Amino acid sequence: TQLLEQSPQFLSIQEGENLTVYCNSSSVFSSLQWYRQEPGEGPVLLVTVVTGGEVKKLKRLTFQFGDARKDSSLHITAAQPGDTGLYLCAGAETSGSRLTFGEGTQLTVNP
Amino acid sequence: GAVVSQHPSWVICKSGTSVKIECRSLDFQATTMFWYRQFPKQSLMLMATSNEGSKATYEQGVEKDKFLINHASLTLSTLTVTSAHPEDSSFYICSASRTSGSDTQYFGPGTRLTVL
Repeated sequence: TQLLEQSPQFLSIQEGENLTVYCNSSSVFSSLQWYRQEPGEGPVLLVTVVTGGEVKKLKRLTFQFGDARKDSSLHITAAQPGDTGLYLCAGAETSGSRLTFGEGTQLTVNP
Repeated sequence: GAVVSQHPSWVICKSGTSVKIECRSLDFQATTMFWYRQFPKQSLMLMATSNEGSKATYEQGVEKDKFLINHASLTLSTLTVTSAHPEDSSFYICSASRTSGSDTQYFGPGTRLTVL
């Protein structure tokens, strides 16, 4: 069974601070997705990374896929209260296979 | 776009009754749909994977006779919780993939089930 370890589980920071969320595994993934979920809603896809070493930017969010495709990170610059939510990473071992989700990181950005 | 809807968004039922939740892909055909449940402050747990026209594949520990899944068309999958009990109360979320070879899943807004 694949495992995706996500850290930290909880993060409470002040507006304007930077943060990084990590997603690690001993397994190789064909792709990895990052989602953001707000209470009472379904996860919303932020990005999909498929190439080892790939870096994608989405405004203040930077996503990186490890060279070996076993880990990924999400970096948020100058966090805002609107960034508050549950961030989930999810990996697919092979193309089209089920996703394995990390435990999630509950981010709270205080004004 | 890739919009997935769920109905109802929330439901309250009495213990022992059955509840059906619908998952629809509104603007694309979904070869594969997935059903997850999520407890408060926790991540998503995959319950089953369903492909249109075939039987669902259930994850270990998920009772197929209790959680009936039907994927009758490329745009609709249903999850029926039979003889619901309070411990079945949870947030149920479906997702859909455009093709069987795609890793990207588009999630519905979820259904909050409360069993009294």
